[in-house]
Amino acid sequence: DPKIIQKPKYLVAVTGSEKILICEQYLGHNAMYWYRQSAKKPLEFMFSYSYQKLMDNQTASSRFQPQSSKKNHLDLQITALKPDDSATYFCASSQGLGGQDTQYFGPGTRLLVL
Amino acid sequence: QQKVQQSPESLSVPEGGMASLNCTSSDRNFQYFWWYRQHSGEGPKALMSIFSDGDKKEGRFTAHLNKASLHVSLHIRDSQPSDSALYFCAVSDSGYNKLTFGKGTVLLVSP
Repeated sequence: DPKIIQKPKYLVAVTGSEKILICEQYLGHNAMYWYRQSAKKPLEFMFSYSYQKLMDNQTASSRFQPQSSKKNHLDLQITALKPDDSATYFCASSQGLGGQDTQYFGPGTRLLVL
Repeated sequence: QQKVQQSPESLSVPEGGMASLNCTSSDRNFQYFWWYRQHSGEGPKALMSIFSDGDKKEGRFTAHLNKASLHVSLHIRDSQPSDSALYFCAVSDSGYNKLTFGKGTVLLVSP
């Protein structure tokens, strides 16, 4: 059974619209993250959460808003979508926030903005 | 300048051969170096981490770290076609376990 679920697998959106990417983890972890992977840039850290609290935010734009309704959920809301937002978005989780804590990645949501 | 640089960009080895990947960081505040592997259409999967100078071995994978030069290498012994993937080096810093990734090395193992 998959331990980190991301929905949907693929997403097509029009410029200016808003989408929510879903992430649930069933590993019992306390920390969750979002990363982005595009053709132009390597895997890029976006956010880290611990016990549903935002710990680190490396996104320059407020159009990206994480939402945590439960400890094992971390959704990503993206507003005013732009073609440059086209990428694969990965959710990850780890037991804690230490540098030695292994981050486990989900299968990703591939977003295409037209 | 990118914080984590990997070489080569791509590598081809025969089945049963040794693959060697390199990574250098410019971040002296790193906590751990990590190696991740990503097969096409999947999320990255952690292979191993290393913090201390010297070698760390896990099965067919050996990582070697030189902290003075901030250089880490990954050696894959007895490479298999299933090892064909994109390999990332990443560093975790002293903050909230943020991983900074390199651009990756594409490894192709031919039967």
